[in-house]
Amino acid sequence: GQNIDQPTEMTATEGAIVQINCTYQTSGFNGLFWYQQHAGEAPTFLSYNVLDGLEEKGRFSSFLSRSKGYSYLLLKELQMKDSASYLCAVRDRGSARQLTFGSGTQLTVLP
Amino acid sequence: DVKVTQSSRYLVKRTGEKVFLECVQDMDHENMFWYRQDPGLGLRLIYFSYDVKMKEKGDIPEGYSVSREKKERFSLILESASTNQTSMYLCASSILQGPSTEAFFGQGTRLTVV
Repeated sequence: GQNIDQPTEMTATEGAIVQINCTYQTSGFNGLFWYQQHAGEAPTFLSYNVLDGLEEKGRFSSFLSRSKGYSYLLLKELQMKDSASYLCAVRDRGSARQLTFGSGTQLTVLP
Repeated sequence: DVKVTQSSRYLVKRTGEKVFLECVQDMDHENMFWYRQDPGLGLRLIYFSYDVKMKEKGDIPEGYSVSREKKERFSLILESASTNQTSMYLCASSILQGPSTEAFFGQGTRLTVV
């Protein structure tokens, strides 16, 4: 089975940097995903990590440490439109097709 | 552009009714999924399918069934709706091969059972 933990809520200021953490426990890790979900909308894919290290994509970066069961999503130069829920999801080696999601972190960006 | 379409954005049904939630994808994806999303619990997998007429139980299949008669369509069925099935239901699809392939989600159906 899998256990995924992330903070419930975070608040940050426009223009700032915010780091959203995710810890996981899995019997056979096969990749970690970050999704963004605005209120009332579908989750949309942000990033994928399967090897240790940092993946950068514009203002968003995602980091993975497999030995620590830890990932973070880094958002730079925050904008108001970044206010959303950020979902961490893990793919288990034994379940190649499906993702297990954390509860999500609701980020509020203040002016 | 990738598209996953759920038939209804909002539904209100009575306890005991049989409820059908429909999902269609236009990307020729093999895998399709049904999740429910509840505050504080995140997305939980109900059922998934990796081929026509194939289905596998997810983490919370009780009270639900599914149907996949065509590759592009995956239906979730609540045999006898109950108030604890009030939730947001999300359909997703992905290609069959590769661990890095992301899932694409529909807009969701907010179901209220009264």
